[in-house]
Amino acid sequence: AIQMTQSPSSLSASVGDTVTITCRASQGIRNDLGWYQQKPGKAPKVLIYGVSSLQSGVPSRFSGSGSGTEFTLTISSLQPEDCATYYCLQDYNYPRTFGQGTKVELK
Amino acid sequence: QLQLQESGPGLVKPSGTLSLTCGVSGSPISGSHWWTWVRQPPGKGLEWIGEIYHSGGTNYSPSLQSRITMSVDKSNNQFSLKLTSVTAADTAVYYCARDGERGGNSVLDYWGQGILVSVSS
Repeated sequence: AIQMTQSPSSLSASVGDTVTITCRASQGIRNDLGWYQQKPGKAPKVLIYGVSSLQSGVPSRFSGSGSGTEFTLTISSLQPEDCATYYCLQDYNYPRTFGQGTKVELK
Repeated sequence: QLQLQESGPGLVKPSGTLSLTCGVSGSPISGSHWWTWVRQPPGKGLEWIGEIYHSGGTNYSPSLQSRITMSVDKSNNQFSLKLTSVTAADTAVYYCARDGERGGNSVLDYWGQGILVSVSS
């Protein structure tokens, strides 16, 4: 199975900051990567699919980039409602695998 | 608006079988989508369990494959998960989700609210 490694595991940032989360795949996965946001007690919500395509209704401050084995989720101008745990998910092959998560908190 | 709702026992005995159903409303389950199960142990990350197509085609996680069965019930617009020989390690919130697929990419765009299943005697 492809291993997805996220970094950092947690971070603190201030409102208005730009936040970057990285996801590294153990092998090349083309552009088959999505990002999910999960708030406590809630189901995950898709933010981005295909590395950089924004899901309908998701604020444009979220963006994704990368290719091959290294991918990035960027939140420009962090808002209080962005405090959550973020997961990457590869859909290059089976089994699908999630990163271990990055918890974003307000400083 | 598509909605998914998990149902089933919240407590299963060790060595028993975990059985969950995901009811789908707002869209026929026989559409062109895969239907997915994901779980999350308390305080931990997400784990992909597997998926099923309305025709009965499945893809399972190899780590669970020997214990999993998924099925579709078109008449009741629902799909199900059975996990046998459960242990405490199977205690988790179980989510069902739809893979909305865009341009060849998987997009888990609709989720149930999740159901906590505890394995304990």
